[in-house]
Amino acid sequence: EIVLTQSPGTLSLSPGERATLSCRASQSVPSNYLAWYQQRPGQAPRLLIHGASTRATGIPDRFSGSGSGTDFTLTVSRLEPEDFAVYYCQQYGASPPTFGPGTKVEIK
Amino acid sequence: EVQLVESGGGLVKPGGSLRLSCAASGITFNVAWMSWVRQAPGKGLEWVGRIKSKTDGGAIDYAAPVKGRFTISRDDSKNTLDLQMNSLKTEDTAVYYCTAVGYGDYVSASWGRGTLVTVSS
Repeated sequence: EIVLTQSPGTLSLSPGERATLSCRASQSVPSNYLAWYQQRPGQAPRLLIHGASTRATGIPDRFSGSGSGTDFTLTVSRLEPEDFAVYYCQQYGASPPTFGPGTKVEIK
Repeated sequence: EVQLVESGGGLVKPGGSLRLSCAASGITFNVAWMSWVRQAPGKGLEWVGRIKSKTDGGAIDYAAPVKGRFTISRDDSKNTLDLQMNSLKTEDTAVYYCTAVGYGDYVSASWGRGTLVTVSS
């Protein structure tokens, strides 16, 4: 199965700053089928990005995804208070689908 | 708006069984592909399994750790998704989320709030 690693484990930033989160796959993700989810404390995850770079319905444009092959990035251009959360990447190009361990974005 | 509401979680002893249900609304359930994703306390997300719609063949696939012990089923007349869990192990302790698949074969586009299953003696 494809193993995903995410870095950094924790990102300490201030509101208004830019966040850059990395997701690396153990092998090339077929068709760049890579998704990003946000999980706020005590809540269910929420889909942000699919297909590496396409925002899901209703997701603000400060969230953007990029990358291909084995290296993917989620960028939050200007952090809002509600963006402090844990972010997970998921590959769904190969079965079984797998998730990364997550990156926590915390308030500095 | 899609609403997914899980029920049936609770405390069960190792080796025991539990059945989770998910009631769906705001979605054309009979054509929806559905999945279960779990999250152990303080840990990350783990895909459990997925069921396609009957119109797409109804195939079900499972993650290796649960294959042979868990069974996913659906009742399109009631808009419900079930997860029958047998031979439970302590490592099955987690919040179980019901999700609606969208945008891609295994992408969880909509999520329920989850139900906690605790396997402990």
